[in-house]
Amino acid sequence: TQLLEQSPQFLSIQEGENLTVYCNSSSVFSSLQWYRQEPGEGPVLLVTVVTGGEVKKLKRLTFQFGDARKDSSLHITAAQPGDTGLYLCAGLGSGGSNYKLTFGKGTLLTVNP
Amino acid sequence: SQTIHQWPATLVQPVGSPLSLECTVEGTSNPNLYWYRQAAGRGLQLLFYSVGIGQISSEVPQNLSASRPQDRQFILSSKKLLLSDSGFYLCAWTTSANEQYFGPGTRLTVT
Repeated sequence: TQLLEQSPQFLSIQEGENLTVYCNSSSVFSSLQWYRQEPGEGPVLLVTVVTGGEVKKLKRLTFQFGDARKDSSLHITAAQPGDTGLYLCAGLGSGGSNYKLTFGKGTLLTVNP
Repeated sequence: SQTIHQWPATLVQPVGSPLSLECTVEGTSNPNLYWYRQAAGRGLQLLFYSVGIGQISSEVPQNLSASRPQDRQFILSSKKLLLSDSGFYLCAWTTSANEQYFGPGTRLTVT
């Protein structure tokens, strides 16, 4: 069974601060996705990383896929209250499990004005 | 563009009553479809997925079932709800790159 551990589980920061969220596994994933979810809504896809060592930027968000494709990080620069939400990472397996995503339990981020 | 619908948005049902949640996708054909449950705003638990009409794979043994009577319709059912079935139910479909797009969800409260 593939597992994804996200840390921290909860994060409360002030507007303007930087933060990093981590997603770790002992398993190799063919790709890894990051989602953001607001209360009462479905998760929204932010980015997909596919290649080991890949870095993608989405405005103030920087996503990195580990060289061994077992881990990923999300860095937010100068966080804003609008960044508040549940951040979920999800890994896509290979071979027979390539129809299913394995989700981490999420990091609940609160950015205080 | 593709859209995904779920209904109802909220549901309050007594223990032992039946359940039927519906999910439909527009703007794509032969999508892979998924049902997830999310407890207390945390991680997603995959319940069922389907790669085609009538093809259902169950991930977690439970009193829930799923059906796919049409290409873009996915239904989650139960004959008798338990208190532990309460949660936020999400339907999703995937692109060819296995990126998942989620519906708005159904909040189920079993009383």
